[in-house]
Amino acid sequence: DTGVSQNPRHKITKRGQNVTFRCDPISEHNRLYWYRQTLGQGPEFLTYFQNEAQLEKSRLLSDRFSAERPKGSFSTLEIQRTEQGDSAMYLCASSPRDRHYEQYFGPGTRLTVT
Amino acid sequence: AQRVTQPEKLLSVFKGAPVELKCNYSYSGSPELFWYVQYSRQRLQLLLRHISRESIKGFTADLNKGETSFHLKKPFAQEEDSAMYYCALSGLGAQKLVFGQGTRLTINP
Repeated sequence: DTGVSQNPRHKITKRGQNVTFRCDPISEHNRLYWYRQTLGQGPEFLTYFQNEAQLEKSRLLSDRFSAERPKGSFSTLEIQRTEQGDSAMYLCASSPRDRHYEQYFGPGTRLTVT
Repeated sequence: AQRVTQPEKLLSVFKGAPVELKCNYSYSGSPELFWYVQYSRQRLQLLLRHISRESIKGFTADLNKGETSFHLKKPFAQEEDSAMYYCALSGLGAQKLVFGQGTRLTINP
């Protein structure tokens, strides 16, 4: 499968713990996006990278959230001191350089904070 | 502010009947509008884009700037059209997508 992959697919953690998610985009795509989706809502934009540069961050991305894409390939999203309100599906997407609007989504990582 | 509104959370129609999923948007400039679809147990994927003016799987959508709408239509629904549909916008030259809440479409046999 050459699509976008995300690991882990599910994560259950206790409030206050740190969690890290990984996203592997489609190899020739230079843009990578993170979205968050809660029950009954559409995906909400968190941040995006062009190659290794983080070009935009949403106000939703509090200081507890950090994302990296160190070599312009895979990306990680870390949430520190998790809160119950962080429970959501975290989606990663990538897009090719000439068609940024055509975002290819991964299966998502479902986070449950207890 | 950028906003996408899909007024119907659920829509149920019979096979062979016409389908219209509503989408209204709010954006101060010239947006690009999209429909994304998520079939059961599959990933979210692009269905169509207003600029391309294509018909994909029998679906079309016309951008109406006066009414700030981008409704998705299909003349004859098929059972395989059952899915979650999201309307989304992107500012011209911008990268992020702003999604609506989604409409779950169910096609009854």
